[in-house]
Amino acid sequence: DVKVTQSSRYLVKRTGEKVFLECVQDMDHENMFWYRQDPGLGLRLIYFSYDVKMKEKGDIPEGYSVSREKKERFSLILESASTNQTSMYLCASSPLGLAEKNTGELFFGEGSRLTVL
Amino acid sequence: DQQVKQNSPSLSVQEGRISILNCDYTNSMFDYFLWYKKYPAEGPTFLISISSIKDKNEDGRFTVFLNKSAKHLSLHIVPSQPGDSAVYFCAASRFGRQGGKLIFGQGTELSVKP
Repeated sequence: DVKVTQSSRYLVKRTGEKVFLECVQDMDHENMFWYRQDPGLGLRLIYFSYDVKMKEKGDIPEGYSVSREKKERFSLILESASTNQTSMYLCASSPLGLAEKNTGELFFGEGSRLTVL
Repeated sequence: DQQVKQNSPSLSVQEGRISILNCDYTNSMFDYFLWYKKYPAEGPTFLISISSIKDKNEDGRFTVFLNKSAKHLSLHIVPSQPGDSAVYFCAASRFGRQGGKLIFGQGTELSVKP
């Protein structure tokens, strides 16, 4: 089974703090993604990566950065946390390509609930 | 601009009846659509998908219908069970089964009452 592990399930941080959210996948997937989920807004894409050391902005990248130094690990960084970044953060991965077993789905971790006070 | 829209925030259905969840999209470049289910404090899990070359895909109690001309898809759950109570997200891709980024709707919270 695909396993996407997010390092922290619940975090409470103060405004202005630097926050690291870590994500590791064990299926050798090329693609990795960071989304945030907010009521009434669904899942919105923050950043994604199709390869090591590669990153692309999603729909709401402002206030975030990412790092992908190894294929299995994709980190989301909040340089200076603000209260409007209180949210559920979801990491996902997927294989790239049209292998028969590929369903196009993203495999999600369990999420990290971040509260910024 | 919301490219994928789920206009019903919630839906309540009696156990054993049909649940119909709806989704509309605006971008005609989308060629692959997926439905996810999410329980509180868990990550979304994949349910079913459909390619734009099809108009129907079935998997057990779940069927997805796609109407390309109307840019509309729906998920039918028959019969509905209390364990189906969750938030359902539809998602769209421009990359087929290649595993590219997905654009999600706002979600519909389904409640199945015993």
